[in-house]
Amino acid sequence: EPEVTQTPSHQVTQMGQEVILRCVPISNHLYFYWYRQILGQKVEFLVSFYNNEISEKSEIFDDQFSVERPDGSNFTLKIRSTKLEDSAMYFCASSESPGQGVRDTQYFGPGTRLTVL
Amino acid sequence: AQSVSQHNHHVILSEAASLELGCNYSYGGTVNLFWYVQYPGQHLQLLLKYFSGDPLVKGIKGFEAEFIKSKFSFNLRKPSVQWSDTAEYFCAVNAGFKTIFGAGTRLFVKA
Repeated sequence: EPEVTQTPSHQVTQMGQEVILRCVPISNHLYFYWYRQILGQKVEFLVSFYNNEISEKSEIFDDQFSVERPDGSNFTLKIRSTKLEDSAMYFCASSESPGQGVRDTQYFGPGTRLTVL
Repeated sequence: AQSVSQHNHHVILSEAASLELGCNYSYGGTVNLFWYVQYPGQHLQLLLKYFSGDPLVKGIKGFEAEFIKSKFSFNLRKPSVQWSDTAEYFCAVNAGFKTIFGAGTRLFVKA
């Protein structure tokens, strides 16, 4: 069964550094998402992306965050200047469509654990 | 506001006991409802989903959930749990371009 993949599985960085988290969505999916889960807390929506544009973003997704689909397969999340509170597990997800039907199930990747020191 | 509430944060059961995890949602539109499981050290996996039709949904590993529209609930059940069901369980609702998760319920099954 096709699956969403993410790299790296773990990333350790110094505060203030830029990080790029990478995701390869399922190949026929058109909608892409990033979520994060701070240790011990619930999974929180960050952003959704379709047709090279952000469709929706949460209040967490401020100016230090950006997303990009640099080629036909990758979907990236960039954090420009990391803070301690950015330490979390970041999940990428993809779906065929974003609506209210069977094709809209979001499939999640295994996550990237980001640790900011 | 859109939200998902899970009633229990921690549940401890013995093997073969029955399980019911509560989930209530608040969302004004047509709902798609999900239960995800996260085993220790692993990523989110879809247990089951409801889009329409029969409100009793069967998922993988013997889990099922019942959508009760009048109660805005989507409770997860399993008749007899196993040690391998130890995990964190998340109820979620699809709200257009995003999925809203509950806080999760940590289930520990004693062998």
